[in-house]
Amino acid sequence: AQKITQTQPGMFVQEKEAVTLDCTYDTSDQSYGLFWYKQPSSGEMIFLIYQGSYDEQNATEGRYSLNFQKARKSTNLVISASQLGDSAMYFCAMREAGGGSARQLTFGSGTQLTVLP
Amino acid sequence: DAGVIQSPRHEVTEMGQEVTLRCKPISGHNSLFWYRQTMMRGLELLIYFNNNVPIDDSGMPEDRFSAKMPNASFSTLKIQPSEPRDSAVYFCASNRYNEQFFGPGTRLTVL
Repeated sequence: AQKITQTQPGMFVQEKEAVTLDCTYDTSDQSYGLFWYKQPSSGEMIFLIYQGSYDEQNATEGRYSLNFQKARKSTNLVISASQLGDSAMYFCAMREAGGGSARQLTFGSGTQLTVLP
Repeated sequence: DAGVIQSPRHEVTEMGQEVTLRCKPISGHNSLFWYRQTMMRGLELLIYFNNNVPIDDSGMPEDRFSAKMPNASFSTLKIQPSEPRDSAVYFCASNRYNEQFFGPGTRLTVL
């Protein structure tokens, strides 16, 4: 079974609108971390936002926020007021046995977001 | 901060040649990761180090791949001999707490 599932290979959104990118995960750990990265066409991986499994509030970072639903094992990324520069591939990732730094990330297959002018 | 530094940014080599990729993590970060990204397999972890010690190398595809971290500020990933199927983007990443920062990647093409 896949640990990270991103069911939307591609998404389109109109500039200035909000968009939600879906991500579900599978783990039996009680402590874990969830990450979102942006990869523009230039190829670099840009860290966007982090949610810990014990965090009671949804993480927010500027125009990025997470809709974290622990019981459903989902952590959807919401981008508000989309900009043309938001067009990129977005990856959801999980680190199991969270806490401590020496744990690797498992990545989803990504969602290609295109912002339309 | 300089961020994670990788070199070279692009490498084109012929099958059978040795390839060495280099990474300098962010100062103060005690964990370093090597990933490989391809269209077919997405992002895969190859190996990671904690305090310069290799912790998990189960992602290294075969004995042709080796990685070292002789000190806290430098790591190498070596492929010897290289094969066309090794063509990919290789990322190095480092972290100390919850954020894992990636380098710009090395795009490797093996002809």
